[in-house]
Amino acid sequence: QKEVEQDPGPLSVPEGAIVSLNCTYSNSAFQYFMWYRQYSRKGPELLMYTYSSGNKEDGRFTAQVDKSSKYISLFIRDSQPSDSATYLCAMSGGFQKLVFGTGTRLLVSP
Amino acid sequence: GAVVSQHPSRVICKSGTSVKIECRSLDFQATTMFWYRQFPKQSLMLMATSNEGSKATYEQGVEKDKFLINHASLTLSTLTVTSAHPEDSSFYICSAGVIKTYTYGYTFGSGTRLTVV
Repeated sequence: QKEVEQDPGPLSVPEGAIVSLNCTYSNSAFQYFMWYRQYSRKGPELLMYTYSSGNKEDGRFTAQVDKSSKYISLFIRDSQPSDSATYLCAMSGGFQKLVFGTGTRLLVSP
Repeated sequence: GAVVSQHPSRVICKSGTSVKIECRSLDFQATTMFWYRQFPKQSLMLMATSNEGSKATYEQGVEKDKFLINHASLTLSTLTVTSAHPEDSSFYICSAGVIKTYTYGYTFGSGTRLTVV
């Protein structure tokens, strides 16, 4: 079993839809949870960072962490074609190497 | 915000030559930098962790004599692919760990696409 599981997609939605992206993990030591967006042939860009359990909102993006279920989510409201990218979840137990999910490819059609 | 500059963005080299990739933290000091490799449509694979002033820690299966990492200062880390071969063609990305008051995160460079011909 991988430490972090993420559906690779692709996930296709129409413009304006609410997108839900998820990851599950097995290591209970993880405390820091991140979502990155990666456009083709570019480095990952940090979207959201959450420490421990809870919700965090930033504009159209909401990150949720449920440590009891070992489940994290990223919601994108009013999705736009420019949101089309690969979304990577990542996590760590401290200032250590990140463990990444495989990434979910999102396609938002106009 | 924290910015990590990575150069070159793209390089083509002949088989057998060496290529150096630079990663600089522009507005913060990065005591730790990470080097990743990414194949098409796959996630990032950590190659090594680089700490300023000490030897890099390589992940299992990564040849340390082939992928030389130097982290000589708090703002610069380099990856040198020695005696490159076509199978080394890939997308290489660096990232720096950032610790600030009440925040935490890793900032990535823009990546280097290496093609070995």
